[in-house]
Amino acid sequence: GAGVSQSPSNKVTEKGKDVELRCDPISGHTALYWYRQRLGQGLEFLIYFQGNSAPDKSGLPSDRFSAERTGESVSTLTIQRTQQEDSAVYLCASSLAAAAYEQYFGPGTRLTVT
Amino acid sequence: GQNIDQPTEMTATEGAIVQINCTYQTSGFNGLFWYQQHAGEAPTFLSYNVLDGLEEKGRFSSFLSRSKGYSYLLLKELQMKDSASYLCAVSGSGGYNKLIFGAGTRLAVHP
Repeated sequence: GAGVSQSPSNKVTEKGKDVELRCDPISGHTALYWYRQRLGQGLEFLIYFQGNSAPDKSGLPSDRFSAERTGESVSTLTIQRTQQEDSAVYLCASSLAAAAYEQYFGPGTRLTVT
Repeated sequence: GQNIDQPTEMTATEGAIVQINCTYQTSGFNGLFWYQQHAGEAPTFLSYNVLDGLEEKGRFSSFLSRSKGYSYLLLKELQMKDSASYLCAVSGSGGYNKLIFGAGTRLAVHP
């Protein structure tokens, strides 16, 4: 596709369940980023991948959060034992390379934990 | 700590000029970014400043003063479609790959 895609667009889950969010970056982009945006707040950096490795995981809020990337393409963000404070829009972005400053964002996944 | 401040909301009239300010305190500096985000949509890149001065791109300009930790986004000839949130972000010591975002400024353009 032409842009970054994410699925699902919306996810409602019960507290305590695990969820998996998917990101398909722009083809050929080697760098991939995950952000979280709570209602009315700015974007919060979670993790960044260069290729399939994650040099910086410092933004992951707790050990319930994990992410992986395979084939220098698709990435999944997994949240285990979801809590209500995990409710937010999870945005994925990609850039041509780690040194490329322009990040292209996907439409996000709106996660609601009930 | 790391902090980015920008006004929460602004209003302006169609055809006018509006300036959205951003002040920052970060450990290290590798550039300042402005993104536009329409409600319910993904942020889109507007500008990048790494040196002091004004960068102009059509109706939008962005200014940076590193010594003052200050930037502004200037929007000219406002159009209704410019109603959106404008996000200021700084690349600190973590490099391009770890942007620190402000909470965003919600701009409403009225006829």
